[in-house]
Amino acid sequence: AQSVTQLGSHVSVSEGALVLLRCNYSSSVPPYLFWYVQYPNQGLQLLLKYTSAATLVKGINGFEAEFKKSETSFHLTKPSAHMSDAAEYFCAVSAYAGGTSYGKLTFGQGTILTVHP
Amino acid sequence: NAGVMQNPRHLVRRRGQEARLRCSPMKGHSHVYWYRQLPEEGLKFMVYLQKENIIDESGMPKERFSAEFPKEGPSILRIQQVVRGDSAAYFCASSPVYRLQETQYFGPGTRLLVL
Repeated sequence: AQSVTQLGSHVSVSEGALVLLRCNYSSSVPPYLFWYVQYPNQGLQLLLKYTSAATLVKGINGFEAEFKKSETSFHLTKPSAHMSDAAEYFCAVSAYAGGTSYGKLTFGQGTILTVHP
Repeated sequence: NAGVMQNPRHLVRRRGQEARLRCSPMKGHSHVYWYRQLPEEGLKFMVYLQKENIIDESGMPKERFSAEFPKEGPSILRIQQVVRGDSAAYFCASSPVYRLQETQYFGPGTRLLVL
């Protein structure tokens, strides 16, 4: 079975500062990894995903993430935070786990990003 | 192209009543997933359906919960005899095909409050 751990339930940065949201996964088979963002009272929107084509993945709104197999990590970064980045971010994994895995996503607990002016 | 639609957006029920949550997938999508988000927690998979078939219900509670995706119309998540612990946000997602790396597109969710 796969799992995801997001280190830090809350991250606070200043506007213009680097954003780093951590995600570590556990999977016995090659995983597919996703980052989603959730704004208050809204659904989840895909930021980016890793599908084994390239280890450095670029997404929307200036975000990117690097897949590091040796560290079982898929951390999300953005060079310069903007006020509009304040939201909750979820890392998720999809991996074949036997007969009934069927692409269901396993999510981390989420990280709330606060951006200070 | 309209996104995933869910209704109602907010639902209040008293203990013992039934809750029906509806999800209309994106146009052309025939795969629907339901997830539940409890307060202070991430999303947890509940069930995966294709048209007229339940493919994976490994995340569904054994009692009171059921789901369907008929040939015509939206997918329905039904909770009978709701209890306070059912209070949560319920999200539906859809995809055009089944692949492990396929993007799932999420609806805005239904926030269920059980009094």
